[in-house]
Amino acid sequence: QITLKESGPTLVKPTQTLTLTCTFSGFSLNTSGVGVGWIRQPPGKALEWLALIYWDDDKRYRPSLKSRLTIAKDTSKNQVVLKMTNVDPVDTATYYCAFDHWSGYGYYFMYWGQGTLVNVSS
Amino acid sequence: SSELTQDPAVSVALGQTVRITCQGDSLRHYSASWFQQKPGQAPLLVIYGKNNRPSGIPDRFSGSTSGNRGSLTITGAQAEDEADYYCNSRDTSGNPLFGGGTRLTVL
Repeated sequence: QITLKESGPTLVKPTQTLTLTCTFSGFSLNTSGVGVGWIRQPPGKALEWLALIYWDDDKRYRPSLKSRLTIAKDTSKNQVVLKMTNVDPVDTATYYCAFDHWSGYGYYFMYWGQGTLVNVSS
Repeated sequence: SSELTQDPAVSVALGQTVRITCQGDSLRHYSASWFQQKPGQAPLLVIYGKNNRPSGIPDRFSGSTSGNRGSLTITGAQAEDEADYYCNSRDTSGNPLFGGGTRLTVL
């Protein structure tokens, strides 16, 4: 059974760095064809992909946010960490991590965490 | 292209068939996947690949991708299908793209 859970602060001040952790079980990030992604959703708005990291340490970032994002994995802890620098109130959103898996046709976000709501406010 | 376009809202009578569509250049090389999201819940994958349903997804959900257009069809919509639906694809770099979402109302 694959599960993912996001953790991190619920409130962050503008200009600070947001650090989110995704702790997962049921798969290993050492396995070929596996990745973990971060997706966010501002209140009442659409899903927005942020970053991805694969089993081979290949890292992808949303081009418009690339300068502010860092993703890293700790396979020994079954965790993926996302850092976002210089946050702004527009970064207020529910942040999800998701299990990305090669299905034979392509990569798909097969399982998601429950999400964590982050509010950016002074 | 880095965009996927969806109609903001669609409605369907209970028990009828509804198609939710998604348009974008990325669909020419990467089949659409579809997520269902109910209020306060995380997205749930309902269709991926050519037309694959994860375990536990009812067979009234089906999908297709042709050219630059992807479709999610619900045959015999149920009240519990009322939700937001998001299409998803990848660009030529392999970066994920999401559509703006379609709110489905079951009348």
